[in-house]
Amino acid sequence: DAGITQSPRHKVTETGTPVTLRCHQTENHRYMYWYRQDPGHGLRLIHYSYGVKDTDKGEVSDGYSVSRSKTEDFLLTLESATSSQTSVYFCAIRAARQETQYFGPGTRLLVL
Amino acid sequence: GDSVTQMEGPVTLSEEAFLTINCTYTATGYPSLFWYVQYPGEGLQLLLKATKADDKGSNKGFEATYRKETTSFHLEKGSVQVSDSAVYFCALSPLVGGGNKLTFGTGTQLKVEL
Repeated sequence: DAGITQSPRHKVTETGTPVTLRCHQTENHRYMYWYRQDPGHGLRLIHYSYGVKDTDKGEVSDGYSVSRSKTEDFLLTLESATSSQTSVYFCAIRAARQETQYFGPGTRLLVL
Repeated sequence: GDSVTQMEGPVTLSEEAFLTINCTYTATGYPSLFWYVQYPGEGLQLLLKATKADDKGSNKGFEATYRKETTSFHLEKGSVQVSDSAVYFCALSPLVGGGNKLTFGTGTQLKVEL
């Protein structure tokens, strides 16, 4: 299994509070991704990173920001959580010149 | 933009039945195609992939063939087991550019009963 961990694994928060999710890898892969999974939508890309301090938006980036200060960590921040951000969040990693992405175990977020 | 369409589930089969889950795609050029599987409470695992037309991906008795003429990548297994119960996602990744972002279908839940 690819060395990917996500923390926390479960979180309950209130509307309007900031939330940060962490993805940590031990594979030294260049690319890291954040997706959200919702019924009827599959997985949708929020943001991705192609190197330290290099990030770009995905298709559902509104309300989210990311940071990558070192290769192994990719943080996803909800600046002011809303109920529409209740979801399961998955991190993925990919090595350069490879097609396959490997996924973490997910973080289940409930915004009340 | 790129898109993936999967058959809606749930699909319920008896053990040892034949499985087909349909997947068609819309993309520019020649994307790579993937099937991922998600077991209850877990993340996604790569099941198989194909990177060019007519390639067949296979793993754990599952197969899928990259058909460019029909823009399809249907998943098949000759004899399913209860342990195959999971959600299956078809996905594509563009050939070049865009960070190789994956575009997923909505997923198909498979339930296998004794």
